Amino acid sequence: RKEVEQDPGPFNVPEGATVAFNCTYSNSASQSFFWYRQDCRKEPKLLMSVYSSGNEDGRFTAQLNRASQYISLLIRDSKLSDSATYLCVVNSGTASKLTFGTGTRLQVTL
Amino acid sequence: NAGVTQTPKFRILKIGQSMTLQCAQDMNHNYMYWYRQDPGMGLKLIYYSVGAGITDKGEVPNGYNVSRSTTEDFPLRLELAAPSQTSVYFCASSYYSSGPGDSPLHFGNGTRLTVT
Repeated sequence: RKEVEQDPGPFNVPEGATVAFNCTYSNSASQSFFWYRQDCRKEPKLLMSVYSSGNEDGRFTAQLNRASQYISLLIRDSKLSDSATYLCVVNSGTASKLTFGTGTRLQVTL
Repeated sequence: NAGVTQTPKFRILKIGQSMTLQCAQDMNHNYMYWYRQDPGMGLKLIYYSVGAGITDKGEVPNGYNVSRSTTEDFPLRLELAAPSQTSVYFCASSYYSSGPGDSPLHFGNGTRLTVT
């Protein structure tokens, strides 16, 4: 089983739709979790950290389920500009244990 | 405030050539990292450094070397380029005071390297 797994997609959704991605991780000792956004041929940029109690930033909501070992990202009212690849990142406690998922591609259409 | 600066942006190497990818950050971050990203794949950690004078191997270190003589700079050296090293290379930095917990990574713009 991969350390961090994501559905590669693509998820094709119309503007205004709500879309959710999950990311599973295998190391139960993982300590911190992030969602990054990567536009085509660009560097990843932090979208949001994921806290145990769940957190929201505008149209974006992140959740952590430690029992089932997954994190999720919910995007409400999708915009064309949300089209990108969303990377799940899991930190198991040391600098070398920051593991990136392969990403989920989102395409928002008119 | 430049953040993380990588040079060059693009480079084509012949097999067996060597080169250094430069990375500099001006945020006084103690942690620095080099990743490679192959098409359709996740980022793989090549080397990392937790401070000046300290470096360690990541997941895919073979064929690469690094040094960290200053807090700001973290160059990546390819000694004998091979086609398998064709990839996009990202340098990143973060600040952490007691262990890598919630400090996010700041990435450079990347270097696209082709080895033919």
